Amino acid sequence: DIQMTQSPSSLSASVGDRVTITCRASQSVGIYLNWYQHKPGKAPKLLIYTASSLQSGVPSRFSGSGSGTDFTLTISGLQPEDFATYYCQQYYSTPTFGPGTKVDIK
Amino acid sequence: EVQLVESGGGLVQPGGSLRLSCAASGFTFTSNWMSWVRQAPGKGLEWVANIKEDGSVKKCVDSVKGRFTISRDNAKNSVYLQMNSLRVEDTAVYYCARQLGGSTTIFDSWGQGTLVTVSS
Repeated sequence: DIQMTQSPSSLSASVGDRVTITCRASQSVGIYLNWYQHKPGKAPKLLIYTASSLQSGVPSRFSGSGSGTDFTLTISGLQPEDFATYYCQQYYSTPTFGPGTKVDIK
Repeated sequence: EVQLVESGGGLVQPGGSLRLSCAASGFTFTSNWMSWVRQAPGKGLEWVANIKEDGSVKKCVDSVKGRFTISRDNAKNSVYLQMNSLRVEDTAVYYCARQLGGSTTIFDSWGQGTLVTVSS
């Protein structure tokens, strides 16, 4: 299986900050990489698919980039509703998720 | 609006069985593969199994092979996960998820999950 890692595992940020989360795959996954937002007790939410495509209804402050083994999720102008845990997921082969990055309030 | 509502979770002893259900609405159920994804306490997400639109293809993660079976009833717009020989490590919140298109495992809609606790 392809192993996914994320950094940092957690971060503290303020409203309005630019936040960048990194995801790395143990082998190339091309652009077959998605990003999800998850809040406690809620359904996970698809933000970005195929590395950089914004899911319908997701605010444009979310963006994704990368290919191969290295990917980033950027939130440009953090909003109060963005405090959550973010997961990357590859679907080049049997789908696997990263361990998550928790974004909380500074 | 797409809605996925899971049910059937609960407390079960090791070696026991449980059947999870997911009721879907708000979309043409026969147009999408469906998946189950789980999250153990304090852990990340793990894909468990998926099933093709017509139920003819089923796949699952190695850790549940031979123990879990995914199925669907398109007449009832429902997908199921039959879990047998449950282990303590199967304890998790189980989410039902819709796949965006075909067999591509992009999960574009999720339910809120149902908790399965395996403990003696």
